[in-house]
Amino acid sequence: RKEVEQDPGPFNVPEGATVAFNCTYSNSASQSFFWYRQDCRKEPKLLMSVYSSGNEDGRFTAQLNRASQYISLLIRDSKLSDSATYLCVVNSGYSTLTFGKGTMLLVSP
Amino acid sequence: DADVTQTPRNRITKTGKRIMLECSQTKGHDRMYWYRQDPGLGLRLIYYSFDVKDINKGEISDGYSVSRQAQAKFSLSLESAIPNQTALYFCATNSGGTDTQYFGPGTRLTVL
Repeated sequence: RKEVEQDPGPFNVPEGATVAFNCTYSNSASQSFFWYRQDCRKEPKLLMSVYSSGNEDGRFTAQLNRASQYISLLIRDSKLSDSATYLCVVNSGYSTLTFGKGTMLLVSP
Repeated sequence: DADVTQTPRNRITKTGKRIMLECSQTKGHDRMYWYRQDPGLGLRLIYYSFDVKDINKGEISDGYSVSRQAQAKFSLSLESAIPNQTALYFCATNSGGTDTQYFGPGTRLTVL
């Protein structure tokens, strides 16, 4: 079974902090990588795709290390509204996705 | 209007009842998926369909069936609901050119 592993957290950080999440994946044939955000009892929403060269979207930076099969997400200057569960997602080689169980982030005032 | 809609949003039913969850999308995507989410287990794929004549089992298809009535509609049925099918169910879609999936708002199903 193809797995995606994440630390479930929760990560408790104050506003303005920088926080990083990592995940590892087992399917070396995976070609597409994503971070999704999920608010409590809501649907997952795409936060950002992850590219081999690393990519940034405002306060969010994603990195991919294919050799070690891990993906990271860095959030700078955390906001209260960043509180959510962050899902690491990897394609499974059959045009389907495998989701990690998520890392919970709690940003406090 | 939302691009991916699910009905009902909440449902409470009894063991042994037949239940149908419906998903519709206006994104024009060919591919549709059904997932369930349980606390601590993450999202797990139940069934998926790449076009109207294509149905594939996912990781946990036992106890479920699906129907792809049209490109825009994908229904999930529980023929005889059991309590361990209590979960949050999500429908998702994507186009063939990308792996990015777009989710509906979810259906919260409780089987008593």
